Amino acid sequence: RKEVEQDPGPFNVPEGATVAFNCTYSNSASQSFFWYRQDCRKEPKLLMSVYSSGNEDGRFTAQLNRASQYISLLIRDSKLSDSATYLCVVNLLTGGFKTIFGAGTRLFVKA
Amino acid sequence: GAVVSQHPSRVICKSGTSVKIECRSLDFQATTMFWYRQFPKQSLMLMATSNEGSKATYEQGVEKDKFLINHASLTLSTLTVTSAHPEDSSFYICSAREEGRGETQYFGPGTRLLVL
Repeated sequence: RKEVEQDPGPFNVPEGATVAFNCTYSNSASQSFFWYRQDCRKEPKLLMSVYSSGNEDGRFTAQLNRASQYISLLIRDSKLSDSATYLCVVNLLTGGFKTIFGAGTRLFVKA
Repeated sequence: GAVVSQHPSRVICKSGTSVKIECRSLDFQATTMFWYRQFPKQSLMLMATSNEGSKATYEQGVEKDKFLINHASLTLSTLTVTSAHPEDSSFYICSAREEGRGETQYFGPGTRLLVL
């Protein structure tokens, strides 16, 4: 079982749609959680951190459920520029700091 | 946000040569830097953790004699791919954490290596 699992997609949605991505992690020692965005042939860029209380940044909402070891990202009112791969990222602190990346979920937003 | 640079952005080399990639934190001191590799349509895979002033910690399956890491200062880590082969062709990305600034990692723009 992968340490961080994501649906690879692709998700094909029209502009203005709401789309949700899910991610599960297997290590209960996971300490912090993030969503990154990666455009084709570019480096990942931090989109937002994820907390149990949930957090919102404009059209993006992230949620963490520690009991279920589940992380979500909701994008409202999708824009063409949202097309990218979204990476679920988990930091572990077990004998040292380690970051585990999910394989990513590809999103295509179409006009 | 914090800035991390990488150089070169792209390199093409012949099989058997060595390639050095530099990773610099431009506006903060990074006691820890990370080196990742990403093959097409795959996730980033951590290769090693680079610690300033000490030896790097390599992930299982990564040859430390082939991928030499040096973290000589708080703003610079280098990765040298020795005797590169075509299967080493990949996208190499570094990241850095700023001590005391949480667990956010800031990524360099990546280096695309093609070994002929």
